[in-house]
Amino acid sequence: KNEVEQSPQNLTAQEGEFITINCSYSVGISALHWLQQHPGGGIVSLFMLSSGKKKHGRLIATINIQEKHSSLHITASHPRDSAVYICAVRDDMRFGAGTRLTVKP
Amino acid sequence: DGGITQSPKYLFRKEGQNVTLSCEQNLNHDAMYWYRQDPGQGLRLIYYSQIVNDFQKGDIAEGYSVSREKKESFPLTVTSAQKNPTAFYLCASSKYTGDPYNEQFFGPGTRLTVL
Repeated sequence: KNEVEQSPQNLTAQEGEFITINCSYSVGISALHWLQQHPGGGIVSLFMLSSGKKKHGRLIATINIQEKHSSLHITASHPRDSAVYICAVRDDMRFGAGTRLTVKP
Repeated sequence: DGGITQSPKYLFRKEGQNVTLSCEQNLNHDAMYWYRQDPGQGLRLIYYSQIVNDFQKGDIAEGYSVSREKKESFPLTVTSAQKNPTAFYLCASSKYTGDPYNEQFFGPGTRLTVL
């Protein structure tokens, strides 16, 4: 079974800063998902990655299959980006513990 | 609007009582899942179901039971055998299981507190 590790566990940034959240996993996978959990608990899917890079607005996700590593970047961060970001390996339904991001105005 | 509903949002129960958490979806998805979330830990899979009248244990099934009598519904019962039931419970669905590219859709969650 995959071990999914995220770093950092907590991250505080000033509005406008560039944010990077990292995810590594131990066993080769087909696809990795990035999720966003709002303060109320609801979870939405941000990206599904199997290779390379995807961009949606200010969010960019990359994956290196050989190195078993993925990153989520947020450009020009905003207080509304404050949430918990979770990476998930759907092959065996394993989730990282999440990164709690707080963006201060 | 299509989506997943869970009820109630908050639930309080006395120790030793069984409690059932509701999960309904109108996305016409075949697969449904129950996860438990504890502070500082990733979501952990309790049970999943690929089709009506069939379900499989996840990593932490002990002390829980499920049923899947209808495609739309996948209720979870937290029994008195579950040693530490206080947690946030999330239900999810996807078109299929076994497909790593398949997106999961999550319900709003139920926060269970056992007193």
